[in-house]
Amino acid sequence: DTGVSQDPRHKITKRGQNVTFRCDPISEHNRLYWYRQTLGQGPEFLTYFQNEAQLEKSRLLSDRFSAERPKGSFSTLEIQRTEQGDSAMYLCASSSNTLSYNEQFFGPGTRLTVL
Amino acid sequence: AQTVTQSQPEMSVQEAETVTLSCTYDTSESDYYLFWYKQPPSRQMILVIRQEAYKQQNATENRFSVNFQKAAKSFSLKISDSQLGDAAMYFCASNTGANSKLTFGKGITLSVRP
Repeated sequence: DTGVSQDPRHKITKRGQNVTFRCDPISEHNRLYWYRQTLGQGPEFLTYFQNEAQLEKSRLLSDRFSAERPKGSFSTLEIQRTEQGDSAMYLCASSSNTLSYNEQFFGPGTRLTVL
Repeated sequence: AQTVTQSQPEMSVQEAETVTLSCTYDTSESDYYLFWYKQPPSRQMILVIRQEAYKQQNATENRFSVNFQKAAKSFSLKISDSQLGDAAMYFCASNTGANSKLTFGKGITLSVRP
């Protein structure tokens, strides 16, 4: 088990472009979470999945954001028409209802810079 | 809605000494969980310690222990025998219901002086 992985680790884009991030959770973890962390702040919840179902979305997740977990394994987070305010670290975490009770394992994050 | 407050932005401790990081929270739920996460520079966040609200006994993990004051809604982390590797950002967090979303505080930067 190699832990939660995220790709890319860094992304620089121009305002107005679309970007997509990928998260691969720990295998057999049925829950997957996305958080956003801006400089000097704690992570803020964006959305989470149980298997392939998206169970909750934050108000922070505007219409420009979409997340998927099509087969209940990896997940993607897409941001359309990026804005400078989207610059942040995007963290993915996974957990299991039966293993490591109530512990979320975090990935290294994708740092997005919007110019 | 849950809120988690960490009012100290930075703390410093001498190696081998003890330091306490403060956290307060607010929730209307009776069943909730509290956590301390560590985020080393440029490395991923890891769980340090976890406390179930229904448990009166304070959680302990080796050099890390908590002081959970339910009535005061306070959840502080004590690090004993501080080591250089303890230098990191520490986040207090909570959730209601196992494996639900986490609400984090702003974090505190801990530096360890050799």
